[in-house]
Amino acid sequence: DGGITQSPKYLFRKEGQNVTLSCEQNLNHDAMYWYRQDPGQGLRLIYYSQIVNDFQKGDIAEGYSVSREKKESFPLTVTSAQKNPTAFYLCASSIGGGFGNTIYFGEGSWLTVV
Amino acid sequence: RKEVEQDPGPFNVPEGATVAFNCTYSNSASQSFFWYRQDCRKEPKLLMSVYSSGNEDGRFTAQLNRASQYISLLIRDSKLSDSATYLCVARGGYQKVTFGTGTKLQVIP
Repeated sequence: DGGITQSPKYLFRKEGQNVTLSCEQNLNHDAMYWYRQDPGQGLRLIYYSQIVNDFQKGDIAEGYSVSREKKESFPLTVTSAQKNPTAFYLCASSIGGGFGNTIYFGEGSWLTVV
Repeated sequence: RKEVEQDPGPFNVPEGATVAFNCTYSNSASQSFFWYRQDCRKEPKLLMSVYSSGNEDGRFTAQLNRASQYISLLIRDSKLSDSATYLCVARGGYQKVTFGTGTKLQVIP
């Protein structure tokens, strides 16, 4: 089946640790995104990538890093510099970045700092 | 002021009722609009796109009013399975996508 696969679904991080969330898509989409969702807040854009080897900061990029070495893959690293990382992280993709292109989401990853 | 505003609800309605949600957006440059459905602790899933002429998909009807900068979602004959949070989305320039915080719907037997 075509889709977006995120892993792990649940992740616990100790203070001071970096963690990486995986995102793979087989939809042949050029654009990929990472969003963060907190209770009572809308989705907030962390990073996005329009093509391989290119990515741009979103609204809340501080404390996060990404790479886009392959079209299918867009991993997100949550670094120790992120002060409040506990949240629901959603990876998404679209055919392109144009305003008419629908955004599709993976199932999400829950990150908890312990 | 938030770029996309929704009434958080919850809207508690009996099965079979008709319910409508509105969403206002502040960025007049927004070009396309969508409604997503999000179940508790799940990812958002596309419900429908919203066009100026309005569009209908079964029991769901979406309308866009550019002059007043709002979009609406009407659900007829509500089912228990419609219980979810409905997210309004406005898409502007190349990457400008803004999600509302969602309206929670609870359909009661």
